[in-house]
Amino acid sequence: SAVISQKPSRDICQRGTSLTIQCQVDSQVTMMFWYRQQPGQSLTLIATANQGSEATYESGFVIDKFPISRPNLTFSTLTVSNMSPEDSSIYLCSVEGGTQETQYFGPGTRLLVL
Amino acid sequence: GIQVEQSPPDLILQEGANSTLRCNFSDSVNNLQWFHQNPWGQLINLFYIPSGTKQNGRLSATTVATERYSLLYISSSQTTDSGVYFCAVISNFGNEKLTFGTGTRLTIIP
Repeated sequence: SAVISQKPSRDICQRGTSLTIQCQVDSQVTMMFWYRQQPGQSLTLIATANQGSEATYESGFVIDKFPISRPNLTFSTLTVSNMSPEDSSIYLCSVEGGTQETQYFGPGTRLLVL
Repeated sequence: GIQVEQSPPDLILQEGANSTLRCNFSDSVNNLQWFHQNPWGQLINLFYIPSGTKQNGRLSATTVATERYSLLYISSSQTTDSGVYFCAVISNFGNEKLTFGTGTRLTIIP
């Protein structure tokens, strides 16, 4: 299994500002995934981040709003830009296990935008 | 894309009761996982079960791939079982990414 940490664990932000969320994994992984979980809802994939290439975004998510960096095989950041109250969610980082059968998740970042 | 529906959406049980959670999916899959999200938001992987049956302590899961459903059984429920249970699948015909179901919120009352 993989141990994943995220920073910050929670934050309260003003609308119009940006927040960068960090994700650190205890082993080298090829793909890292970023999910959003809106209040009371299921998880939705934002993008897949591969080291050394541009992130691949899912329908409904764009790079200008959610820029992602992947500087090495153990670290990634997701920025939520020009935030509005609709961005209030839990943002989760995830990686595949060694056999790619299972996925492991970080503890999440709880974001509240006022 | 693939649709993943879970039932019931909410379940409230007394401690010690047994429960069955269902996950229906609209297309054939090559990966199915069950997760438990505890009240603090942490997601824990319970099972990788694209077909067949697995057991882990008080939890077991069965997937009937040909009929496009999976069941999660929880026996002798404890308050620590409370939280939201998600199934998630990867379709044989999609973008090879995990699609999460709608979730079942389980509340165990002491």
